[in-house]
Amino acid sequence: DAGVIQSPRHEVTEMGQEVTLRCKPISGHNSLFWYRQTMMRGLELLIYFNNNVPIDDSGMPEDRFSAKMPNASFSTLKIQPSEPRDSAVYFCASSPAGATGNTIYFGEGSWLTVV
Amino acid sequence: AQSVTQLDSQVPVFEEAPVELRCNYSSSVSVYLFWYVQYPNQGLQLLLKYLSGSTLVKGINGFEAEFNKSQTSFHLRKPSVHISDTAEYFCAGSSNTGKLIFGQGTTLQVKP
Repeated sequence: DAGVIQSPRHEVTEMGQEVTLRCKPISGHNSLFWYRQTMMRGLELLIYFNNNVPIDDSGMPEDRFSAKMPNASFSTLKIQPSEPRDSAVYFCASSPAGATGNTIYFGEGSWLTVV
Repeated sequence: AQSVTQLDSQVPVFEEAPVELRCNYSSSVSVYLFWYVQYPNQGLQLLLKYLSGSTLVKGINGFEAEFNKSQTSFHLRKPSVHISDTAEYFCAGSSNTGKLIFGQGTTLQVKP
């Protein structure tokens, strides 16, 4: 079975450019999560969708970040404009229904470098 | 506030020695607890989880963890580690709102 699929795996972009990260969750999973991982801050939950609806976006750093889930099989995380401090690994994850007691399955991450 | 605390940022250990990675959770975190492992340049994968029942939980790769309610701890153990266990280990707890809260991670360094 295919796991969570993220693209691109690696991206290097210049400050000020728009970055779009993409995610395809595991088929049948109703919940989707976007996490950011940095050395300084560890793993941070950015936003959480349930049945394509954003449930909690309190972790989104600022207005430069936006996330959408137009259907059950696709989500995007957009950064516009990007800044060097956005450099991190961005993980998409999915679970059958929320994280309460359910295993969350992670993609392999999108490694973003903003120069 | 909901929180999960991993008490050690790095744990060096020799191959075939036992290891314990410590994790404490705040009482406000819903008592569903997890350990995830992250190998270099990869995503996280589940090692084991505690939902209810027996407080000793066995996971993959010979790892186990014990849920201790009185000490609000969920320490991860392995009686004999291998070089291949070198990785980052994350303790996590899920909240009632469906969010998974991670600790800061512990780097396990297994030396030959």
